[in-house]
Amino acid sequence: ETGVTQTPRHLVMGMTNKKSLKCEQHLGHNAMYWYKQSAKKPLELMFVYSLEERVENNSVPSRFSPECPNSSHLFLHLHTLQPEDSALYLCASSQDYSPVYEQYFGPGTRLTVT
Amino acid sequence: RKEVEQDPGPFNVPEGATVAFNCTYSNSASQSFFWYRQDCRKEPKLLMSVYSSGNEDGRFTAQLNRASQYISLLIRDSKLSDSATYLCVVNYNAGNMLTFGGGTRLMVKP
Repeated sequence: ETGVTQTPRHLVMGMTNKKSLKCEQHLGHNAMYWYKQSAKKPLELMFVYSLEERVENNSVPSRFSPECPNSSHLFLHLHTLQPEDSALYLCASSQDYSPVYEQYFGPGTRLTVT
Repeated sequence: RKEVEQDPGPFNVPEGATVAFNCTYSNSASQSFFWYRQDCRKEPKLLMSVYSSGNEDGRFTAQLNRASQYISLLIRDSKLSDSATYLCVVNYNAGNMLTFGGGTRLMVKP
């Protein structure tokens, strides 16, 4: 498989559930990102990892917990979410954490919190 | 004030038309600029970077005006396949933290 893949593609969860989103990149990149895209709002950067170290945490509530076990995998652990957390969650990767490198996005996980 | 501001549209144009989008950004320290394209229910994909001297890629021309803090995208000879949302993106720091505008929706009609 090539590029950036995300699983699951769709997820419905209750507010008391715990779930995880998975992202995998097959591009040999060193930086990975989580974004949130809500209806009628711009994409918002949530977290950045470079060489498996978190380099940015964009004031995201603690009910979202990222994990980067190696340079190819990125997880977003979810617990006690709110209905307003329903959104498209996009993962991206780039060669390195430098503005000269293009970010490649995965297809996203569409999350609905009931 | 939004950091990156775009007219949401939609811009409805006939095939073959020329259409232009503008985008303004608030942080004068912005370092790099991009246009991304996002098709309905798909992920964003880089369309082109925007350089200070302006740049062209086929039917697409991007321009940057640092003094006025705006970026433009011109599409010539529009195709049906150009229908999408065009995202203006700005990078403020030395890393790769992108700030996205809300997007401008383009619909090209036969």
